[in-house]
Amino acid sequence: DAGVTQSPTHLIKTRGQQVTLRCSPKSGHDTVSWYQQALGQGPQFIFQYYEEEERQRGNFPDRFSGHQFPNYSSELNVNALLLGDSALYLCASSEGQGFTDTQYFGPGTRLTVL
Amino acid sequence: DQQVKQNSPSLSVQEGRISILNCDYTNSMFDYFLWYKKYPAEGPTFLISISSIKDKNEDGRFTVFLNKSAKHLSLHIVPSQPGDSAVYFCAARVYNTNAGKSTFGDGTTLTVKP
Repeated sequence: DAGVTQSPTHLIKTRGQQVTLRCSPKSGHDTVSWYQQALGQGPQFIFQYYEEEERQRGNFPDRFSGHQFPNYSSELNVNALLLGDSALYLCASSEGQGFTDTQYFGPGTRLTVL
Repeated sequence: DQQVKQNSPSLSVQEGRISILNCDYTNSMFDYFLWYKKYPAEGPTFLISISSIKDKNEDGRFTVFLNKSAKHLSLHIVPSQPGDSAVYFCAARVYNTNAGKSTFGDGTTLTVKP
């Protein structure tokens, strides 16, 4: 049974560009959450998708947007990239809107903005 | 204002000895606390949790202690094994809220020497 997968593994972009990151949840999971982990810091919650809608959002600007597809996979989009967006982006999946400790994290996508 | 703090960026212990990782929080609303472990190139994995109605929770070699008056929790690993070498994150939230609402500390890198 595949766990949470994310693509790509690494990505290099320049300021002002747009990026799309992808996540496939663990089999049977219907909820996907996205986190940003800056170097030397803990993960920070960006938003969560359930039933193809954004249900919860952290303190991130509108440049960060997402989507969830009928097969529960999800995308994170970041527009107008800033140097400060350089980070590891983690996806986590769970059941039932995340009211559980059992979130399963993917390995992350390392985004570098030059 | 960092609401969850792990003041020791790193900790090194000898195999077989006890590892003690510490975490402090400032938000009095937090009443549910979690520890995650993260290996390089992998996402964080849930380790153990404790609610504020308890002061101790044990799972095998891992024990979490909570001191509510001091707003302090600690994770004890006994005995420590080389495979425990990883980054450990402390997280906190209000119980029965969405897991995405967890606030993470910046992590402590544990190295267990053979």
